[in-house]
Amino acid sequence: DTEVTQTPKHLVMGMTNKKSLKCEQHMGHRAMYWYKQKAKKPPELMFVYSYEKLSINESVPSRFSPECPNSSLLNLHLHALQPEDSALYLCASSQEGPTSGRASGETQYFGPGTRLLVL
Amino acid sequence: DAKTTQPTSMDCAEGRAANLPCNHSTISGNEYVYWYRQIHSQGPQYIIHGLKNNETNEMASLIITEDRKSSTLILPHATLRDTAVYYCIVRVRAGGFKTIFGAGTRLFVKA
Repeated sequence: DTEVTQTPKHLVMGMTNKKSLKCEQHMGHRAMYWYKQKAKKPPELMFVYSYEKLSINESVPSRFSPECPNSSLLNLHLHALQPEDSALYLCASSQEGPTSGRASGETQYFGPGTRLLVL
Repeated sequence: DAKTTQPTSMDCAEGRAANLPCNHSTISGNEYVYWYRQIHSQGPQYIIHGLKNNETNEMASLIITEDRKSSTLILPHATLRDTAVYYCIVRVRAGGFKTIFGAGTRLFVKA
């Protein structure tokens, strides 16, 4: 099973709402990632979790709050978002964490994404 | 991570080989070259990676020049389903978490 699943597929929310995006993988991967992708732009890294600990936060605003409840799950909690936060949010996982000595261990597998619209 | 430069777009006839170039002139000795692609509205898909030797898998071949300053991804027999944005990325082998996507090449495969 080389699948990363994300729910929901689509999400519409108001600026005062609180919502969560979910990501799941059952490949035994120990690193998980959140990316944000605006239309016609490449994905931009937001957060990296390694062995269930947050290891990279790319200066993301606090209205985005990641959570890694266990090694298979990754959440992104959303609160008080702005319309400019509308984008495709991608989750990815890779086999190994920061001490990996193998390039293949860092190959990332992406989910299909959640398309978010903030009104 | 070293910066990459790719053409904005390319066309390829169906059934012909698609050769996608990538320049990475500032690559370091321990940085690998990775290729991903993203079909419209889907998540990026891993294709192949290499360090200095040419690599081949069931999807594509990767040719890296001897000085490692550029590489070419080859799709041997392009199909309409290969129409996508192709990203060339370089990253360190160990300890480097950041996968920095460049603008990529939009490949159009035409019948």
